[in-house]
Amino acid sequence: DAGITQSPRHKVTETGTPVTLRCHQTENHRYMYWYRQDPGHGLRLIHYSYGVKDTDKGEVSDGYSVSRSKTEDFLLTLESATSSQTSVYFCAISESTLTGPNPEQYFGPGTRLTVT
Amino acid sequence: AQSVAQPEDQVNVAEGNPLTVKCTYSVSGNPYLFWYVQYPNRGLQFLLKYITGDNLVKGSYGFEAEFNKSQTSFHLKKPSALVSDSALYFCAVRDPSSGGSYIPTFGRGTSLIVHP
Repeated sequence: DAGITQSPRHKVTETGTPVTLRCHQTENHRYMYWYRQDPGHGLRLIHYSYGVKDTDKGEVSDGYSVSRSKTEDFLLTLESATSSQTSVYFCAISESTLTGPNPEQYFGPGTRLTVT
Repeated sequence: AQSVAQPEDQVNVAEGNPLTVKCTYSVSGNPYLFWYVQYPNRGLQFLLKYITGDNLVKGSYGFEAEFNKSQTSFHLKKPSALVSDSALYFCAVRDPSSGGSYIPTFGRGTSLIVHP
């Protein structure tokens, strides 16, 4: 988890409220990712970023938006939280090489979100 | 398209015995393959990867994995299991010929339980 922090680490919120999760890295890596982890589904990609202000959707992006205004910060926003978004959210980073991101990823400690 | 399967939800092994956690994959080209480990309430940690070269890859904590192209498998192994190896293990695959997204696909995870 070195070099990657996530905040908050735990959050309970009500259905319909907006929620923002923050990922902060000190590694100066170009690529950042948001995943959610649910039992029986493994890790599923929500959104990713390949540079400041450059983001793209993953396989489960509905209901989520992201922003990256600085290299070190990648924000995930649930505009109107629903119970189906109760999950553990992980941020990951990877370095860039001449041909793209370094193959392996490094993960933050996770945020446990409960939507009631 | 790329996909990965971990056919066992749980693997039980006695301490001191060899362990194997299975992974099979499907890609259109030559794969990049990864193993990650997740301890309770922690993020995923990179264990090892196969990119090219020797089919037997050695990684952290005494783990190794064997790439078998004919069987499209990348099983994780350790000669002598420790109770502290008990964790959730994820296999991941990335098809480097898939274009600009460079996003790996993760398996659903296998829970390894090592009994004293």
